[in-house]
This record gives sequence, structure tokens and C-alpha cells, in this order.
Amino acid sequence: GNSVTQMEGPVTLSEEAFLTINCTYTATGYPSLFWYVQYPGEGLQLLLKATKADDKGSNKGFEATYRKETTSFHLEKGSVQVSDSAVYFCALSGGRDSGGYQKVTFGTGTKLQVIP
Amino acid sequence: GAVVSQHPSRVICKSGTSVKIECRSLDFQATTMFWYRQFPKQSLMLMATSNEGSKATYEQGVEKDKFLINHASLTLSTLTVTSAHPEDSSFYICSAREFFGSGTQLSVL
Repeated sequence: GNSVTQMEGPVTLSEEAFLTINCTYTATGYPSLFWYVQYPGEGLQLLLKATKADDKGSNKGFEATYRKETTSFHLEKGSVQVSDSAVYFCALSGGRDSGGYQKVTFGTGTKLQVIP
Repeated sequence: GAVVSQHPSRVICKSGTSVKIECRSLDFQATTMFWYRQFPKQSLMLMATSNEGSKATYEQGVEKDKFLINHASLTLSTLTVTSAHPEDSSFYICSAREFFGSGTQLSVL
């Protein structure tokens, strides 16, 4: 079945540092890949997505490239801010094992803490 | 962009009562919606797939008689937690396509 593996946190960075959160996946077919962000006590916000190989999703300074050869979708940001502190989830949907529905399979989440 | 609205955002109830949570797709139709449960500091666990006009599909280990799902229209799915107990206290989130609701924090006293 589909699965997503992302680096464990928490990740603590100083403001303006470079961020990388690793994510790899297992899926049959051609899944869509996502990064979601969750602030404390809130639901999930779609941060960015990519629907096919070599696509780059980007939003609010965050980027991730769909790498089919390495089955990866690493999240990066060049300069983090305190307001980026949150939990980040890598996820996928689609592919043959999803039964034709858009069920989303999540990684375990990575907590990011940015200190001033 | 597309928005999924979930209501209520927070509910406190007594043990033994039932609680209904609504999930609406605001600017698109969704024949399929999903319900997730999230425990503190953990990832989301899929509970069930809500199908418009037919029975919901439940994941293994999820009690369908306890978590009643109704998908009566193309824009609305509801999750009813029946005879709630303290162990049902959790954060419940719905989704349609790749969009998620804001979640419902359920606390059962």
C-alpha cells in the first residue's frame, strides 16, 4: 500500500536559517504529493503540491520538487521565520492503491520550531 | 481557492450523549469526503470514506455503529459520534479532494 516517511522532529532552527524536511514515499502508479502545515489547535492548511514527476510546488517561500527517481518530495525554505513554527506533514494521494478515491496518506509530521 | 468548512470547531459534551460534526465543501461538489482522527502530537488516521448517496467505507478497527456518517448531498457530510465516552475525545478533521476542514476538538466529560 501507499506510505509516506518523513524525518522525525522536532527541528529547531534560528530565524533566517535554511530549512529542509525530508520526505520519501512508496506508492504504485503516479500519486500527487503534498505538504500540509498545522498550527496549534488548527486544521491542516495545504502548503504546496505537485502532481507529476519533476513538478515543483511552491508557496510562501517553501518549495518541494517531485522526484520520481528517488521517490522523494523534500520541503525547503531558504530563510525561516518565527511564524513558520508549526507541524509539517508530507502526504500523497492517488495511485493504484487508493481505490480511485482521493484518500490522503500522511507522514508522521515534523514539528518545526524557529527561535529568534 | 477551494474551501472545506467544518463545524463546530470545539464541542464539550457529557458521556453518553451524541455529537454531530458537519463538513461542507463550499465552492465545489464532492462525491467523496474523508474523516480523520488525530491524537495529540500524532499524525492523522483515516477513519472512514464518506460516499454521497451510499454507505460509508470504514477503516479497520473503526466502529461504524459508533461513528455514523451521512453524506446526503454533494456538499455535505456529517459525522455523528454516538454515545460518546471520554476515550472518544480527540481532534476530528474532514477533507474533500486535497482540502481539509479546520477540525473539531471533541471533549467528552
